[in-house]
Amino acid sequence: DAGITQSPRYKITETGRQVTLMCHQTWSHSYMFWYRQDLGHGLRLIYYSAAADITDKGEVPDGYVVSRSKTENFPLTLESATRSQTSVYFCATATGEFETQYFGPGTRLLVL
Amino acid sequence: AQKVTQAQTEISVVEKEDVTLDCVYETRDTTYYLFWYKQPPSGELVFLIRRNSFDEQNEISGRYSWNFQKSTSSFNFTITASQVVDSAVYFCALSRWLTGKSTFGDGTTLTVKP
Repeated sequence: DAGITQSPRYKITETGRQVTLMCHQTWSHSYMFWYRQDLGHGLRLIYYSAAADITDKGEVPDGYVVSRSKTENFPLTLESATRSQTSVYFCATATGEFETQYFGPGTRLLVL
Repeated sequence: AQKVTQAQTEISVVEKEDVTLDCVYETRDTTYYLFWYKQPPSGELVFLIRRNSFDEQNEISGRYSWNFQKSTSSFNFTITASQVVDSAVYFCALSRWLTGKSTFGDGTTLTVKP
């Protein structure tokens, strides 16, 4: 049982390019979240989804787009990558809106 | 707006010492959840505990214990008889009722030396 997976695990891209980070879960949890973790800091919520086709902005949504056509997938797209988006991105799932969140292994993104 | 403050950026202890990690939060909500997560050097995030705002009972799980005091908006985490494997970054988080939005503190890096 893979639980929650993220791909790619590492990504190097250039400024201005579009990048999509994938998140897949096998638990059928309703809620999914995207966070970024900058060096030396905690996690900041980018977007979250309460169910398929329901998404909402978090604390730092600018420059990101999400979609959730299927319960198990929650891709995060950087429309035009900037150096400030260099970070580690974590996807998480939860059974309910305030329940425990289970995190994926993270994607390390470097924007040159 | 809600906020989580972990004032201790880094803590270093010697194995077998007890250590307390502080967490102070701010929220206008009356119903909320508090969490602690561990992030070991390997980078993954591991859930440790969840506590709702109506349950102020302290909790003990092995060497770990948590002290939730609503009067001081604190949710502190104590590791008793620390071990080298406890070395990690520990995050405190606050989750809002009905939105699922969580706010994380900046984390406390704990180093346990042998």
